[in-house]
Amino acid sequence: DQQVKQNSPSLSVQEGRISILNCDYTNSMFDYFLWYKKYPAEGPTFLISISSIKDKNEDGRFTVFLNKSAKHLSLHIVPSQPGDSAVYFCAASQYNTDKLIFGTGTRLQVFP
Amino acid sequence: DGGITQSPKYLFRKEGQNVTLSCEQNLNHDAMYWYRQDPGQGLRLIYYSQIVNDFQKGDIAEGYSVSREKKESFPLTVTSAQKNPTAFYLCASRGQRAVNQPQHFGDGTRLSIL
Repeated sequence: DQQVKQNSPSLSVQEGRISILNCDYTNSMFDYFLWYKKYPAEGPTFLISISSIKDKNEDGRFTVFLNKSAKHLSLHIVPSQPGDSAVYFCAASQYNTDKLIFGTGTRLQVFP
Repeated sequence: DGGITQSPKYLFRKEGQNVTLSCEQNLNHDAMYWYRQDPGQGLRLIYYSQIVNDFQKGDIAEGYSVSREKKESFPLTVTSAQKNPTAFYLCASRGQRAVNQPQHFGDGTRLSIL
């Protein structure tokens, strides 16, 4: 039972344009959501997070949107840069469980 | 530099052998975690520990064991009972002094069976 789903395994975007990565979840008890970026043979790097009391959180070029009624979150990267090419994982947790549930990842390729 | 160190980066195991993966952190974090990543899949939780001398099973604990004798160390043993041990193993830690702190990861150990 996949509680966190990233239905697009890959995404290709031109440099300078917007990248939008999507994530859906099924567990309505999740209240904290995170995005991680991962390069090959390295550990994931934390990018940005959002709690369920908000619907938007912004950090530089990265913005995460949360739609609780649709159980959907998205990561927007504007403008996209070649160095953004990596696999992006969304993750979710339930308050006080201390367990993260990860999606399967989306490979983003930013081309010149 | 503060961070999480996993060693070795690559590890080979013969059938029937136990192997131990090292994870050390100098971030003074209370909680530590072990995940496994397989190709095309997300990270799956093996074990986690919120405090020294205590740990809990994650979603795929069978065939693995851990110890947490020191705050900074959380070694993972892959036993011969783990039938499909070939994977990329990631260790993470998290400070718990504030609500909703993200987990931070080491660079992983890739385990292969000879």
